[in-house]
Amino acid sequence: DIQMTQSPSSLSASVGDRVTITCRASQKISSYLNWYQQKPGKAPKLLISAASSLQSGVPSRFSGSGSGTDFTLTISSLQPEDFATYYCQQGYSTVTFGGGTKVEI
Amino acid sequence: QVQLQESGPGLVKPSQTLSLTCSVSGGSISSGGYYWNWIRQHPGKGLEWIAYSYNSGSTYYNPSLKSRLSISVDTSKNQFSLRLSSVTAADTAVYYCARAHESGYGLRFDYWGQGTLVTVSS
Repeated sequence: DIQMTQSPSSLSASVGDRVTITCRASQKISSYLNWYQQKPGKAPKLLISAASSLQSGVPSRFSGSGSGTDFTLTISSLQPEDFATYYCQQGYSTVTFGGGTKVEI
Repeated sequence: QVQLQESGPGLVKPSQTLSLTCSVSGGSISSGGYYWNWIRQHPGKGLEWIAYSYNSGSTYYNPSLKSRLSISVDTSKNQFSLRLSSVTAADTAVYYCARAHESGYGLRFDYWGQGTLVTVSS
């Protein structure tokens, strides 16, 4: 099984901050990496697929990068609606999610 | 716009079978190219993929749950279902159904149900 490790598990930030979340795979997964945002009581929402492809309707302040084993989700200027938990997910070998990163004030 | 909706008992007794159904609207479950999934989230924890069905019958299960799992598709009702046997308190979770698309870089989940909390307790 491919394990996905996110760091940090939580972070405190302010509106306007630049936020970076890291996801590491236990083996190389090329660009088979997606990012999701989940708000309390809601289902996850797909933000980025194939490591760096922004989904339609997702604000351009979100970006993804990386390949192989190390990936990054960046929020260039944190907005109030961005306070949420973020998950990475690999699709290289069935499906595995990272443990999540909670972004809070 | 595709919509998914989970339904089923919110309370299941230990050792019994958990049964959930996902109703799909806005698109046909038998149309090719999509994978119909179950995913769960333990309270306050991360996401765990459970299983998927594709091509109206082929299935793939999480190896850690495979011995207790069954997933089926009813194309006439545009629904798919999950059965998890011999449940324990460790199976208490919010269960989501979700549609996945093979993007060329593996599965990505583009539509989700709202989730349903299933509690295992006597």
